Amino acid sequence: GQNIDQPTEMTATEGAIVQINCTYQTSGFNGLFWYQQHAGEAPTFLSYNVLDGLEEKGRFSSFLSRSKGYSYLLLKELQMKDSASYLCAVRDLGKLIFGQGTELSVKP
Amino acid sequence: DSGVTQTPKHLITATGQRVTLRCSPRSGDLSVYWYQQSLDQGLQFLIQYYNGEERAKGNILERFSAQQFPDLHSELNLSSLELGDSALYFCASSIQGENQPQHFGDGTRLSIL
Repeated sequence: GQNIDQPTEMTATEGAIVQINCTYQTSGFNGLFWYQQHAGEAPTFLSYNVLDGLEEKGRFSSFLSRSKGYSYLLLKELQMKDSASYLCAVRDLGKLIFGQGTELSVKP
Repeated sequence: DSGVTQTPKHLITATGQRVTLRCSPRSGDLSVYWYQQSLDQGLQFLIQYYNGEERAKGNILERFSAQQFPDLHSELNLSSLELGDSALYFCASSIQGENQPQHFGDGTRLSIL
């Protein structure tokens, strides 16, 4: 079966660092994507990993371990506007299989 | 702005009715994907089209159908609507390639009364 697990909610302080974990068990794997989604809006692409290791993009980094079926998204220098849902998605052939999302609240 | 256009933004209708949702992909994108997002289910993949042909199918109900036209726009048809079909329906598009992200439209919010 297809299973992608993320924590439901996280809270962090403005200026801090937060790590959002994602574990997956899928029948196929062609890469892992992270998306950000503000309430009622479209998901927007943040990062992509297909090989093991860390990908860095400004304040956002994403890590992948294929052998462990594990990824994390690291957000640095948190800002209030980072309050949103963060979706982990595994690409299985053409389709994306999404986790339920992690609702991140950034407090002043 | 992702470049993916979805219409209408909101749709309110009654049980048993039929509706059509429309999506225009980003310029140059040949692949179109449809997703359903409800509060209890998260984002669920429905169906993918590539250059007019169906490429992959997810948990799409038999009451739902889609197509992609020669100009690459796509339509999702939902019939015999039920209360449980109330959700946000997103269209996404991408260029060909495994590492290419899907870009999402703003969605159509469907409410069944």
